[in-house]
Amino acid sequence: DTGVSQNPRHKITKRGQNVTFRCDPISEHNRLYWYRQTLGQGPEFLTYFQNEAQLEKSRLLSDRFSAERPKGSFSTLEIQRTEQGDSAMYLCASSYRGQGLLSGANVLTFGAGSRLTVL
Amino acid sequence: DAKTTQPNSMESNEEEPVHLPCNHSTISGTDYIHWYRQLPSQGPEYVIHGLTSNVNNRMASLAIAEDRKSSTLILHRATLRDAAVYYCILRAFNAGNNRKLIWGLGTSLAVNP
Repeated sequence: DTGVSQNPRHKITKRGQNVTFRCDPISEHNRLYWYRQTLGQGPEFLTYFQNEAQLEKSRLLSDRFSAERPKGSFSTLEIQRTEQGDSAMYLCASSYRGQGLLSGANVLTFGAGSRLTVL
Repeated sequence: DAKTTQPNSMESNEEEPVHLPCNHSTISGTDYIHWYRQLPSQGPEYVIHGLTSNVNNRMASLAIAEDRKSSTLILHRATLRDAAVYYCILRAFNAGNNRKLIWGLGTSLAVNP
């Protein structure tokens, strides 16, 4: 397994265009997360999936954002009608939901991120 | 959700030990202490975690205060590749998932050759 893969690594788009990012998690991980990170800040939670179910979305995720995880494998994050404020690094992470004492060790494995620049 | 406080930046010399502090005075009894680091232009990387006892792994050591209100990440011999932002995060044992992890600004570690 090569870890969490994200594509594309960089995307430059014009305001108003739609963009889609893809994340391929570690195959045995049943949880997948999307985070956003702007320069000089820590990652901010956007949404997460357990298998194919999207269990929570942050209030940061406006109606222009949609995420899917069909069949509980890869995930896509789409941003419609991009705005300059959407410029950020979009990080995907996956984890395995442990049981009992292992649940505290539910560590995240991150991808390298997809950097979005909206002109 | 309990938060952590870390110095904004620290500096070290190559091959010397580095002690990165983290204060978490509002930690609850079921919160795990996790450390991640983020190298430039990469996603965060898990470093170590602990609950009450000190922990060691191939990357680092984690020293947890007896009252658990602070912890210290120890890099025994800093290398240039250890230059990164280090995040100290609390994760509730019964959180069930990581959605409530609060990532602060972390500590930016510079390593001098």
